[in-house]
Amino acid sequence: EAGVAQSPRYKIIEKRQSVAFWCNPISGHATLYWYQQILGQGPKLLIQFQNNGVVDDSQLPKDRFSAERLKGVDSTLKIQPAKLEDSAVYLCASSFDTGELFFGEGSRLTVL
Amino acid sequence: GIQVEQSPPDLILQEGANSTLRCNFSDSVNNLQWFHQNPWGQLINLFYIPSGTKQNGRLSATTVATERYSLLYISSSQTTDSGVYFCAVWTGKLIFGQGTTLQVKP
Repeated sequence: EAGVAQSPRYKIIEKRQSVAFWCNPISGHATLYWYQQILGQGPKLLIQFQNNGVVDDSQLPKDRFSAERLKGVDSTLKIQPAKLEDSAVYLCASSFDTGELFFGEGSRLTVL
Repeated sequence: GIQVEQSPPDLILQEGANSTLRCNFSDSVNNLQWFHQNPWGQLINLFYIPSGTKQNGRLSATTVATERYSLLYISSSQTTDSGVYFCAVWTGKLIFGQGTTLQVKP
């Protein structure tokens, strides 16, 4: 069974530029999550989708971050404009229901 | 919100040694997962363990939900066990602890 796919694996941008990350969950998983992991910390939930609806986006900085899951499968997380403090690993995860989560390899963002 | 505390924050072992990692949480949870984050940053599922004890090879985990803690046991550690171990609890969303960084020396 294929795991959670993410791209790109690495991205380097300058501050005020924009960036987008893509995630394809495990087939059949209705719930998709985006987490942000800053170096030395545990992952922090940014947004949770159930099919194509948002369940929780309380910690998403909505002035610069946006995410969508239009067809209830793939998802895109966008940052515009990026700040230095957005440097982190962005992890996508999926679950069949609200049970066990499975994570992708992550997308590492460096903002200069 | 719920607090998830892991101890110790850092651990250095000699290859072959055993260790116990602890996860305390401040409120009732629906489930709990243990992950290993490898040096390339990927979170690998170790255990999905709302309660009770599970074993997988050299690793085992025990969650005592009524006492709000979980333990991860690593026996006969190997250098490939190095990395960060996270516990995470589900309360409507998955909340992570700060992790335990394990270094196993040959």
